[in-house]
Amino acid sequence: QVQLQQWGAGLLKPSETLSLTCVVYGGSFNEYYWNWIRQPPGKGLEWIGEINHSGTTNYSPSLKSRLTISVDRSKKQFSVNLTSVSAADTAVYYCARAKYCYDSSGYSPRGGYYFDYWGQGALVTVSS
Amino acid sequence: SYELTQPPSVSVSPGQTASITCSGDELGDKFAFWYQQRPGQSPVVVIYEDTKRPSGIPERFSGSNSGNTATLTISETQAMDEADYYCQAWDGSTPYVFGTGTKVTVL
Repeated sequence: QVQLQQWGAGLLKPSETLSLTCVVYGGSFNEYYWNWIRQPPGKGLEWIGEINHSGTTNYSPSLKSRLTISVDRSKKQFSVNLTSVSAADTAVYYCARAKYCYDSSGYSPRGGYYFDYWGQGALVTVSS
Repeated sequence: SYELTQPPSVSVSPGQTASITCSGDELGDKFAFWYQQRPGQSPVVVIYEDTKRPSGIPERFSGSNSGNTATLTISETQAMDEADYYCQAWDGSTPYVFGTGTKVTVL
């Protein structure tokens, strides 16, 4: 059974750095991309970025300049740092596992990733 | 950037069928995925690869995807199906895109 457990500081002041970590229990760590997703209060889901076991990252263009995602394979953990936070970064932050799927049976092959396991979420509030 | 549009809300009576649409440019050329998010909980995937249900998801959840629209259908809707639903697609250039979300109310 795969479980993702996350933790980090919940209250920040403007201009500080958000830092969260997610640990993976069960399943393979090397076969997936590991993601961060956030959800502002009362709003929809926003993809932040991802990393794989070897450290390859993909970031949301809108956050790229402030974002760093890192991995510790030995501990099956991955972390997110978001610098210079403001009130607009207030959100519930989720870690999630991305699974790849592929289908070549149609008229043209298709592939893609989706999130099959999620962490419990962590509310991060930015307030002076 | 790629966008997915959903209706903000859908209302359905218990036992009836709810349909939630997700519109995006040539969405049918990609896989569509659907998530259910109950209040205060993490999202859960209910449909992947357009039509497939993960283990443990009731058969009343079904999906389709063609042209510019993917649809999540909930048959014989129950009170426990009241939640927010998000579609998602993946594109190599944009990576992950979520729909705007639909609140399903079971009246």
